[in-house]
Amino acid sequence: NAGVMQNPRHLVRRRGQEARLRCSPMKGHSHVYWYRQLPEEGLKFMVYLQKENIIDESGMPKERFSAEFPKEGPSILRIQQVVRGDSAAYFCASSPPGFSYEQYFGPGTRLTVT
Amino acid sequence: AQSVTQLDSHVSVSEGTPVLLRCNYSSSYSPSLFWYVQHPNKGLQLLLKYTSAATLVKGINGFEAEFKKSETSFHLTKPSAHMSDAAEYFCVVSVGDMRFGAGTRLTVKP
Repeated sequence: NAGVMQNPRHLVRRRGQEARLRCSPMKGHSHVYWYRQLPEEGLKFMVYLQKENIIDESGMPKERFSAEFPKEGPSILRIQQVVRGDSAAYFCASSPPGFSYEQYFGPGTRLTVT
Repeated sequence: AQSVTQLDSHVSVSEGTPVLLRCNYSSSYSPSLFWYVQHPNKGLQLLLKYTSAATLVKGINGFEAEFKKSETSFHLTKPSAHMSDAAEYFCVVSVGDMRFGAGTRLTVKP
């Protein structure tokens, strides 16, 4: 059973460009979480999605950031018009259907904005 | 609302000596508590978890943690550090969604 997959592992964007980060959950998992890890800081929750639904986006910046988890395909975290402050590691986690405290993390995508 | 505080941003030990990484939490409800480890350029790995069963939890790689409700603590320990234990460690509290501590960087000296 493959783990959570994220791609790309490293992404470089110039200021003003768009960044798309992909997350494929573990097989059978229907819940996806996105976290951001800023340099020298802990992980911060961004958004929690189930298939075709955003359950909790309380950690998402109000502008430029969006997330989706379509019925088919990976979950996408999209950052429009990136700025230097968006440079961070973005982690995706998945959990099985139902109520579960356990989350399985992917390897992360390191975004660098130049 | 829940929150978690890791009391040390950096801990340095010598190989073969005990490890203690401290974590305090606050939660309005009975939480689940986790310790994750992150090695450089790797994803987070679950070390151990507490979910209202035994208060002393044993994890992988010889780590264990004790849930102390009266002290609202969940400190991570290991009797003897190994060089491969050098990593970043995160304490996490969960009541629904997860809240991460800021992390503790463990350095192991030869």
